[in-house]
Amino acid sequence: NAGVTQTPKFRVLKTGQSMTLLCAQDMNHEYMYWYRQDPGMGLRLIHYSVGEGTTAKGEVPDGYNVSRLKKQNFLLGLESAAPSQTSVYFCASSVAGAGNEQFFGPGTRLTVL
Amino acid sequence: EDKVVQSPLSLVVHEGDTVTLNCSYEVTNFRSLLWYKQEKKAPTFLFMLTSSGIEKKSGRLSSILDKKELFSILNITATQTGDSAVYLCAVRRNTDKLIFGTGTRLQVFP
Repeated sequence: NAGVTQTPKFRVLKTGQSMTLLCAQDMNHEYMYWYRQDPGMGLRLIHYSVGEGTTAKGEVPDGYNVSRLKKQNFLLGLESAAPSQTSVYFCASSVAGAGNEQFFGPGTRLTVL
Repeated sequence: EDKVVQSPLSLVVHEGDTVTLNCSYEVTNFRSLLWYKQEKKAPTFLFMLTSSGIEKKSGRLSSILDKKELFSILNITATQTGDSAVYLCAVRRNTDKLIFGTGTRLQVFP
């Protein structure tokens, strides 16, 4: 099992450009999450999904959109990137609910110039 | 506002030392507290605590929760260089979301 994978690993964008980060899990987990991690801020939840076709806002959702068309995939979109979105993005999944162990992907380092 | 505070922010020790990491929280509708270890990339799960006073143990690592005083500690005995990492504490409320602390960076030198 690959666990949780993220694509791409690194990306550099110019302000205003758009991109999509892909998260895939092969553990048949219902719940999936997108976090961003910034120095001194810890992990902050952007959006999450409790099942295929459902999404919900987390702590810092502005400037991001998500989709969960298939159970195994969770996409994070930036429509118009801003320098404030420079961060490391982590995807995670869990069997059911945040109180259970969340399995994290390796992260995507995004720089917006 | 819900918050999770970890201390110290950073810790430098020598191999063989014992360390105690702290996590305090102010969270409504508390359900559980989780500890993660983050080395270079993805955080990996260590413990989940839901009841006060019951120690969870895994090798040289142990953790306990005090729901009255609203804190948890993570102990690492006989530290090794491989324990060097950022240790994250997260709290779950009565929702599907976790609130993370900013982490404690532990550096263990030979």
